[in-house]
Amino acid sequence: DVKVTQSSRYLVKRTGEKVFLECVQDMDHENMFWYRQDPGLGLRLIYFSYDVKMKEKGDIPEGYSVSREKKERFSLILESASTNQTSMYLCASSPWTGGHTEAFFGQGTRLTVV
Amino acid sequence: SQQGEEDPQALSIQEGENATMNCSYKTSINNLQWYRQNSGRGLVHLILIRSNEREKHSGRLRVTLDTSKKSSSLLITASRAADTASYFCATAASGTYKYIFGTGTRLKVLA
Repeated sequence: DVKVTQSSRYLVKRTGEKVFLECVQDMDHENMFWYRQDPGLGLRLIYFSYDVKMKEKGDIPEGYSVSREKKERFSLILESASTNQTSMYLCASSPWTGGHTEAFFGQGTRLTVV
Repeated sequence: SQQGEEDPQALSIQEGENATMNCSYKTSINNLQWYRQNSGRGLVHLILIRSNEREKHSGRLRVTLDTSKKSSSLLITASRAADTASYFCATAASGTYKYIFGTGTRLKVLA
């Protein structure tokens, strides 16, 4: 079974802190994604990566950066956390098979910025 | 934003009834997928339909796709209390490999 693991289920951080959310997948997938989920807004794509050291902005990249130094690991970085970044963060991965494939999700990290 | 929308936002039905939820999207797509999310958890893939397909079945799930109207529907037949969850559609736009999700439908199945 594909496993996507996010480092924390719950996280509480202070305003202004630098926050790292880690995601690891064990199926050698090329593509990895970070979404945030807010009530009434669904999932919104922050960043995605289609290869090591490659990244592209999604719909809401402001205030975030990412790092993909190894194929299995995709990190989301909040440079200076703010209260409006309180949200559920979901990591996903997928293989590149010409596009007709599903995404596999981690269990989510609920981040609270106080 | 390219985000799609699900309709209705929330749906409450009795066990045994059918549940229908709809998804509209904005761009040309490679395929459309439906996912389920149990409360506070990650998403689980249910079914994928390609842009050249009109209907697909998987167990109690039936998905239709109308690319001329840029819309899809998910039908869950003979619903069960365990079907209580949020359901999201996701589109993979032509020429890309990123998934754009809709806003979701919250389904509650009453026992």
